[in-house]
Amino acid sequence: ETGVTQSPTHLIKTRGQQVTLRCSSQSGHNTVSWYQQALGQGPQFIFQYYREEENGRGNFPPRFSGLQFPNYSSELNVNALELDDSALYLCASSQPGTVNSPLHFGNGTRLTVT
Amino acid sequence: GNSVTQMEGPVTLSEEAFLTINCTYTATGYPSLFWYVQYPGEGLQLLLKATKADDKGSNKGFEATYRKETTSFHLEKGSVQVSDSAVYFCALEERGAQKLVFGQGTRLTINP
Repeated sequence: ETGVTQSPTHLIKTRGQQVTLRCSSQSGHNTVSWYQQALGQGPQFIFQYYREEENGRGNFPPRFSGLQFPNYSSELNVNALELDDSALYLCASSQPGTVNSPLHFGNGTRLTVT
Repeated sequence: GNSVTQMEGPVTLSEEAFLTINCTYTATGYPSLFWYVQYPGEGLQLLLKATKADDKGSNKGFEATYRKETTSFHLEKGSVQVSDSAVYFCALEERGAQKLVFGQGTRLTINP
């Protein structure tokens, strides 16, 4: 069983640019959630995708958007990057409906905005 | 809204010492409670969980009990090891929402 994989592992972008982060969910999982973890802070929920539709969103502006594909992999897109977007972005997959289904996290993408 | 407050870190202990990391929460309804661990350069790993009041989650010598009356879920371990050095996050999940609310994390360092 493959776990959650994220790419790239590290990324450096300039303020105002756009970025796309990718996530492959764990085999058999149809739900993907994205979290932003600023340095020294706990992760914050960005949004969740279930069967290719957004299924809940945290307190993030519209320039944070996402996609989920038929194979349940997902992308996080951030437009008009700001310095405060520098963080570790974590993807987590799960299988709702399974008793006490936990979230399985990837190792994250470290984004630095200069 | 829902929130989680953790003991301020960092915490430094000697090997074989007793560990407590405090966690309290504010939530509507009856959330599930979790402890996650993050080793350097890695994502989050589920350490243990409890889904209802008075449940005790346990794993790798760590324990935490869901206390509804004090809205707490303190993490304990009787004898820590150097390999337990990591950042620990307490989190809650609204029933069925599959969305986690995390505390700010507690960095634990164990010295030999």
